[in-house]
Amino acid sequence: AQSVTQLDSHVSVSEGTPVLLRCNYSSSYSPSLFWYVQHPNKGLQLLLKYTSAATLVKGINGFEAEFKKSETSFHLTKPSAHMSDAAEYFCVVGSNYQLIWGAGTKLIIKP
Amino acid sequence: GAVVSQHPSWVICKSGTSVKIECRSLDFQATTMFWYRQFPKQSLMLMATSNEGSKATYEQGVEKDKFLINHASLTLSTLTVTSAHPEDSSFYICSARDEELRNQPQHFGDGTRLSIL
Repeated sequence: AQSVTQLDSHVSVSEGTPVLLRCNYSSSYSPSLFWYVQHPNKGLQLLLKYTSAATLVKGINGFEAEFKKSETSFHLTKPSAHMSDAAEYFCVVGSNYQLIWGAGTKLIIKP
Repeated sequence: GAVVSQHPSWVICKSGTSVKIECRSLDFQATTMFWYRQFPKQSLMLMATSNEGSKATYEQGVEKDKFLINHASLTLSTLTVTSAHPEDSSFYICSARDEELRNQPQHFGDGTRLSIL
């Protein structure tokens, strides 16, 4: 069985400061992990994907995530937040057929 | 890149009306499409997996007579909410896989906001 836990329902940072969105997963086998972003009243956009290649995955818009098997984590980071990053972020575990979604983290950017 | 078009983006209608939502893969063929429902401030819930040319596979607790899915071609799946009631109000999102790109994840539509009065 697979599951995913996003540790924070809300994260608030000032513009220009680093962003950290935390995600822990559980999987009985080597998982595929994804981060998706959803802007208000919009669909979902894939930020990045891990599929057992490099543990540090670079995505779009300056985001990256590091897969840490020992910690069963896949935290999303960005060095410097921009106002346009304000959105809901979902950590997802699974395959291309079945996706298990985290509850989401709302990222708030303060000017 | 792969584009999934979902239509309409917003629907407001009276209770008892049936509403059809379309999901199209614009530049690729999709044998499998997925329908999700998202309640306010919550995550996505998979409702059903739509298979071209065959019956959809519904998740536990989803009424298949309430949410009719038709996947008549490799580029189109439709979700019909029959006799919609206020509790059916939600954000519905579809996704599709490009079967020729097996390592690519699902591509999502922009969603349909359904409001039943």
